[in-house]
Amino acid sequence: LAKTTQPISMDSYEGQEVNITCSHNNIATNDYITWYQQFPSQGPRFIIQGYKTKVTNEVASLFIPADRKSSTLSLPRVSLSDTAVYYCLVGDNGYSGGGADGLTFGKGTHLIIQP
Amino acid sequence: SAVISQKPSRDICQRGTSLTIQCQVDSQVTMMFWYRQQPGQSLTLIATANQGSEATYESGFVIDKFPISRPNLTFSTLTVSNMSPEDSSIYLCSVVAGETQYFGPGTRLLVL
Repeated sequence: LAKTTQPISMDSYEGQEVNITCSHNNIATNDYITWYQQFPSQGPRFIIQGYKTKVTNEVASLFIPADRKSSTLSLPRVSLSDTAVYYCLVGDNGYSGGGADGLTFGKGTHLIIQP
Repeated sequence: SAVISQKPSRDICQRGTSLTIQCQVDSQVTMMFWYRQQPGQSLTLIATANQGSEATYESGFVIDKFPISRPNLTFSTLTVSNMSPEDSSIYLCSVVAGETQYFGPGTRLLVL
């Protein structure tokens, strides 16, 4: 299983762009990279998923370099409501399951947005 | 996408008792999981709920403590048996729809 490493916490201000980088040096050829967001007292919410290069949706962008050993979640113009924990997951089925295909949620990155 | 509901949303229980948590999905899904998230911690996978067969448990979790039912493709239950204060946690149901994993709102359990 590919292990991920993220910063434990980050601070930023409203209106700024926030980039959270995740390291996954042991990523396998078939692995996808998926990011989740979790607010207090809620289940994680899917943000974005990618395999290589760049993926963009209405919420965020995901940048993946050619070697795929890291990825960066980019949140444009954050607001106070973006304060949450962000998890980076890597696995060959794009989701967290059991057994050999199982992914493990790491500790995530606590992002705090200040006014 | 998939919309997941859980019942109860929260409960306070006495030690030694059992609580059954229900998970309902608005569409048929093949993959369904149960997670635990202890206060201030990350998520830990308890088991994969298999429709029509016994659940697949992760290391550290056993069927006697966390029996799981999966009678069909839209519903599952997780029972936390013979509870102790260490079982106080948030229990989350999760499914895969398409190739995306979705999580329920969680059941917040406090064991006294």
